[in-house]
Amino acid sequence: KNEVEQSPQNLTAQEGEFITINCSYSVGISALHWLQQHPGGGIVSLFMLSSGKKKHGRLIATINIQEKHSSLHITASHPRDSAVYICAAASYGGSQGNLIFGKGTKLSVKP
Amino acid sequence: ETGVTQTPRHLVMGMTNKKSLKCEQHLGHNAMYWYKQSAKKPLELMFVYSLEERVENNSVPSRFSPECPNSSHLFLHLHTLQPEDSALYLCASSQGHQIQGASRAGSEKLFFGSGTQLSVL
Repeated sequence: KNEVEQSPQNLTAQEGEFITINCSYSVGISALHWLQQHPGGGIVSLFMLSSGKKKHGRLIATINIQEKHSSLHITASHPRDSAVYICAAASYGGSQGNLIFGKGTKLSVKP
Repeated sequence: ETGVTQTPRHLVMGMTNKKSLKCEQHLGHNAMYWYKQSAKKPLELMFVYSLEERVENNSVPSRFSPECPNSSHLFLHLHTLQPEDSALYLCASSQGHQIQGASRAGSEKLFFGSGTQLSVL
């Protein structure tokens, strides 16, 4: 069992729908990262958080440290949001850059 | 545009070839990383350089040889690779400030390049 589990693995939505991607982890963390990977391969860091909630445009990330759970929400989804979303945990005491990555959630937003 | 540039974007090589991947960052960062992403598997850290010194070698075979000549450039030299080494190789950088205590490690935003898709025949 991976220390970082994401659900769902695949998600298809209609344009405009509210989307939630979940991430559960089993280690103590210093930070949790949400990343976006487009079909070309490049990865963009969306959020890094260690408590509470962060918002950027239509994206919202939340984390519950006690429950070891984080969610990424997309409001008013658009086809350009289609990508793989990756959750990554920086384990407490882990070394620099040595994140524990989830397998990713592939999102497809249909027009 | 993330400020991290990788070349080439695609590379096909035979098992006896020697090739190099290049990464350049224009962000003034002090830490650079190589990650490997194989099909259907999570990203894996390969190497970390902080202030041009290698600080992490994550049990990577010696057929992969990193080089960091300065804080803006990172190379991954490849020789006698195996077909199972076919993957997407991603470079990343972060500010890399001196971190007080291991608890803060991993608490820096990463900036990734677009990756090199490597096929070993």
